[in-house]
Amino acid sequence: GAVVSQHPSRVICKSGTSVKIECRSLDFQATTMFWYRQFPKQSLMLMATSNEGSKATYEQGVEKDKFLINHASLTLSTLTVTSAHPEDSSFYICSAREVGRTSTGQYFGPGTRLTVT
Amino acid sequence: AQTVTQSQPEMSVQEAETVTLSCTYDTSESDYYLFWYKQPPSRQMILVIRQEAYKQQNATENRFSVNFQKAAKSFSLKISDSQLGDAAMYFCAKLQGGSEKLVFGKGTKLTVNP
Repeated sequence: GAVVSQHPSRVICKSGTSVKIECRSLDFQATTMFWYRQFPKQSLMLMATSNEGSKATYEQGVEKDKFLINHASLTLSTLTVTSAHPEDSSFYICSAREVGRTSTGQYFGPGTRLTVT
Repeated sequence: AQTVTQSQPEMSVQEAETVTLSCTYDTSESDYYLFWYKQPPSRQMILVIRQEAYKQQNATENRFSVNFQKAAKSFSLKISDSQLGDAAMYFCAKLQGGSEKLVFGKGTKLTVNP
């Protein structure tokens, strides 16, 4: 089956620093990847849609200058949380849609737990 | 905006019994896709089952089946012969037409009692 990886799985950073999270589709190509944020005991909140070779599309209320997304290839998207603050602490999940296969939905990465101290 | 509603925040079931999780949605589309995802304590989202709206036949995957009522915009998940490993959060989701975005419900926490 289609596998999506995320790195790192856990990261702790100091307030004011930046942290990068990688999302890779391991055995398929993904022109579109998605970034979600999930608070404890809540559903997934879509932050942005990442398209290979073009600018990401951000959901309303998501600061694009704070959450930088780069989708440089058909298998890699990155989310950089810039100038992190404690309120950015959360669980971040990426997903990918296989090229030409809308009906299969999205394949999800295992998530990254970010803690900002 | 399209919405997906899961009216049961928590459900419990005895091992080997059957449980049904409810989901309703709002849409003006005639053709679309619906999904049930499972999120165990590891927090890895796992696709359980999917349904194409133009197919009248309810999808089935082993112990998991759906009751898809298109006119009522209802998409419930039935888990038969529940196992301890079925304990998880279950999210109902609809693929938003044209945008490829998934719209999620708030989730139902399923507890399986031995």
